Amino acid sequence: SAVISQKPSRDICQRGTSLTIQCQVDSQVTMMFWYRQQPGQSLTLIATANQGSEATYESGFVIDKFPISRPNLTFSTLTVSNMSPEDSSIYLCSVVGQGVGGYTFGSGTRLTVV
Amino acid sequence: SQKIEQNSEALNIQEGKTATLTCNYTNYSPAYLQWYRQDPGRGPVFLLLIRENEKEKRKERLKVTFDTTLKQSLFHITASQPADSATYLCANNAGNMLTFGGGTRLMVKP
Repeated sequence: SAVISQKPSRDICQRGTSLTIQCQVDSQVTMMFWYRQQPGQSLTLIATANQGSEATYESGFVIDKFPISRPNLTFSTLTVSNMSPEDSSIYLCSVVGQGVGGYTFGSGTRLTVV
Repeated sequence: SQKIEQNSEALNIQEGKTATLTCNYTNYSPAYLQWYRQDPGRGPVFLLLIRENEKEKRKERLKVTFDTTLKQSLFHITASQPADSATYLCANNAGNMLTFGGGTRLMVKP
């Protein structure tokens, strides 16, 4: 199955600033997915990123707050913009697994906004 | 609306026993369900997928069942070990969107 490198693994940021999270996949994939996991909660899909087109955002998430880039079939970035303490979460990228199914996830970025 | 739910309370069991975790879904009929393991500070790791026409699937000490009448999937870990302690998530995808249950934290005590 694919291997995803996600960075940074964690960061502490000042409110009002932005953080860009990167995910690199070791194989070409059509779709990459970005999730948020708030403290003590399960994962919620933020958006789906396709190469060559705008990302598709889920209800409650907007491009101005979470701009996404997908310059090629192995790489994507998620930016958390104008951060507030409510944005403190773990952010994860994911791709569809190959073979027996399931999805492969990055190791996550733990973001704390102070 | 579609819902996928897990028991939010932690499950504490003794080493060597079988752990059974439950995933219930309402208002839809998923074609298949997936189970993941998540350790603290890590991303989920895919364990098993079971299709609606499969009553049971096994992988080593893991077993998953799918009961479309009860609208429920059960996840079993036999001969549990302290290393099995983690949060276990069930999930379903509608198209490419993966929807997760809230997860159940399993603690296996030596």
